[in-house]
Amino acid sequence: DAGVIQSPRHEVTEMGQEVTLRCKPISGHNSLFWYRQTMMRGLELLIYFNNNVPIDDSGMPEDRFSAKMPNASFSTLKIQPSEPRDSAVYFCASSLRQAPNTEAFFGQGTRLTVV
Amino acid sequence: AQSVAQPEDQVNVAEGNPLTVKCTYSVSGNPYLFWYVQYPNRGLQFLLKYITGDNLVKGSYGFEAEFNKSQTSFHLKKPSALVSDSALYFCAVSSPASGSARQLTFGSGTQLTVLP
Repeated sequence: DAGVIQSPRHEVTEMGQEVTLRCKPISGHNSLFWYRQTMMRGLELLIYFNNNVPIDDSGMPEDRFSAKMPNASFSTLKIQPSEPRDSAVYFCASSLRQAPNTEAFFGQGTRLTVV
Repeated sequence: AQSVAQPEDQVNVAEGNPLTVKCTYSVSGNPYLFWYVQYPNRGLQFLLKYITGDNLVKGSYGFEAEFNKSQTSFHLKKPSALVSDSALYFCAVSSPASGSARQLTFGSGTQLTVLP
């Protein structure tokens, strides 16, 4: 299996622009997670889906952030408009089940820089 | 609320020596505990987990971790460190009390450097 695939790997954009991050989870995994990693705040869970349905989006920082999962093999995280403080590494992860004892598998991340 | 503490930002160890990366946790009810490793410019990779049963858990690349309920700890260990073990290590906790919330809380990470 190719693992969790994220694109792009790097994104540089200007403040105010829309940014879309993409994720393909591992085939057969039912849960998908979006995390953000910064030096200041570490790893933060933004949102997670189970069977394509958003379960918990309490970590989404603002209305500028939105996430969708139109099918079992694709998810997007959109930031509109982007701001410099959104600069971070964004990880997508998937797990076989929703159960809290199930490990997650992470993609390589998208390094977002907003200038 | 659940939390994880990794008291050491940086651990240095000589190659061939045993290594320990510390983790303590706080959670309501029984914990599920995880260790992940992150190499530069890569995502987190799962190493091992404790769910129930034997307190000593063995994982990938020769790593193991010991669950200690009385000390609320889950330290990561390896008998003989390799230079290639140098990476950022994260401890994480969740709980069956999380229910549908699927809360997995990560520690702040410990940078392990193995010196040749």
